[in-house]
Amino acid sequence: AQKITQTQPGMFVQEKEAVTLDCTYDTSDPSYGLFWYKQPSSGEMIFLIYQGSYDQQNATEGRYSLNFQKARKSANLVISASQLGDSAMYFCAMTLNTGGFKTIFGAGTRLFVKA
Amino acid sequence: DAGVIQSPRHEVTEMGQEVTLRCKPISGHDYLFWYRQTMMRGLELLIYFNNNVPIDDSGMPEDRFSAKMPNASFSTLKIQPSEPRDSAVYFCASSPRANRYSGNTIYFGEGSWLTVV
Repeated sequence: AQKITQTQPGMFVQEKEAVTLDCTYDTSDPSYGLFWYKQPSSGEMIFLIYQGSYDQQNATEGRYSLNFQKARKSANLVISASQLGDSAMYFCAMTLNTGGFKTIFGAGTRLFVKA
Repeated sequence: DAGVIQSPRHEVTEMGQEVTLRCKPISGHDYLFWYRQTMMRGLELLIYFNNNVPIDDSGMPEDRFSAKMPNASFSTLKIQPSEPRDSAVYFCASSPRANRYSGNTIYFGEGSWLTVV
């Protein structure tokens, strides 16, 4: 069965420092996509970054990068130079690319950025 | 471009009443998803459609829940009769056909906050 695990319910980081949010996944499907979404207190879900299972390089989007370690089945999100506006809930998600496009989400990590 | 549009944004209803949540996906997207978010269970996929056809409804909690997509620009999620445990945020989301660079990134609506009293 497919599963996404985020083991950090909450994280604190000092403004301007980098932070890593952990995500591990489990699937036997060779083709899948990994995503990170941000949910601020206002409630909307904001797409941050995508990594395909066949991608050789780690994905980057501005201050966000995805540390993809396929053998370990981990897809950690790294946020560099944290800002106060980064305080939010962060969800890791996985989509299997065969047999449809069902996407499942982890439980989330709440990030608090301290001034 | 307009994003995924959901209505109503907030709904408070009495137990036993019918609730209908509406969604307009992003134009051109092939996939439409309904998710439910609660503190206890997180984000759960209820059902998703591909080209208006339901593909997987295994997440629909029970027969009180039904979803339809009569055309490419409209979907409904109906709860009848509603119960207090249905109180949650219901997200509609849509996704284009997957491509090499973005997979099938899901774009969410702002959610419908449902409270059943």
